[in-house]
Amino acid sequence: DGGITQSPKYLFRKEGQNVTLSCEQNLNHDAMYWYRQDPGQGLRLIYYSQIVNDFQKGDIAEGYSVSREKKESFPLTVTSAQKNPTAFYLCASSLYRGGTGELFFGEGSRLTVL
Amino acid sequence: QKEVEQNSGPLSVPEGAIASLNCTYSDRGSQSFFWYRQYSGKSPELIMSIYSNGDKEDGRFTAQLNKASQYVSLLIRDSQPSDSATYLCAVNKGSRDDKIIFGKGTRLHILP
Repeated sequence: DGGITQSPKYLFRKEGQNVTLSCEQNLNHDAMYWYRQDPGQGLRLIYYSQIVNDFQKGDIAEGYSVSREKKESFPLTVTSAQKNPTAFYLCASSLYRGGTGELFFGEGSRLTVL
Repeated sequence: QKEVEQNSGPLSVPEGAIASLNCTYSDRGSQSFFWYRQYSGKSPELIMSIYSNGDKEDGRFTAQLNKASQYVSLLIRDSQPSDSATYLCAVNKGSRDDKIIFGKGTRLHILP
C-alpha cells in the first residue's frame, strides 16, 4: 500500500542532543513538508521541498535542518539549537508542484526532550 | 495579522444540525484552499479542497470560497458524533510556491 512512513513514532532526547526524524513516501509525490504541532497551535511549517536537492525554509526553520537527496525521503534533524523541541512532528507529501497542495500525512513522531 | 485565522472554539453543535466553520486568510494571491480533519492524537486528513469562488459539495460537506472577502468556510450537514474533531483550514499561497499554511484549527463537538 502506498503511503507515508514516519519513524520513530515516539522519541526521547536529552538536552543538547541532535535527533533525526525519518520520513519516507512511496506515493511518487513531488513535494514534501515538515510541520510541527504544539497543543492549541495548529500546524507550523518548518521546511518544505518541491523537488530533489532543493528545499525552502518555512516559518519556524531555526534549529532544524533537512535534506532531499531522494524523491522518496525527506529527513528532519532537530538540532540542539532548537530551544523547545518537544512537539508532535508531522511529515506530509503532495503530488503536484504549483498551486495545489492536497497533503497526505504520515502518522507523526512525538519528540520529548528530557 | 496572522496568515490563516480560525476561531479556536470549541464549537458545540447538536447532533443532526449544521456545523459551520469559518476561516480567513491574509494573502490575496492565495490559490488553493483546504479543510483537514484531525482527531485527537492523530494526523490530519483531507476533507475538502476548493480552488474557485463559490460552493463545492461532497456528501455532507460543503466548502465555500469568497476570494474577494478572503474567506473560506466549511458546512457539515446532519452532524454526527463522529464529526467531533479539530478542523484545520489550510491555504496554498501561490502557483509557484507550494508553501502551505495552516490555521490553528477549530475544535468541533457534536452533542448527542
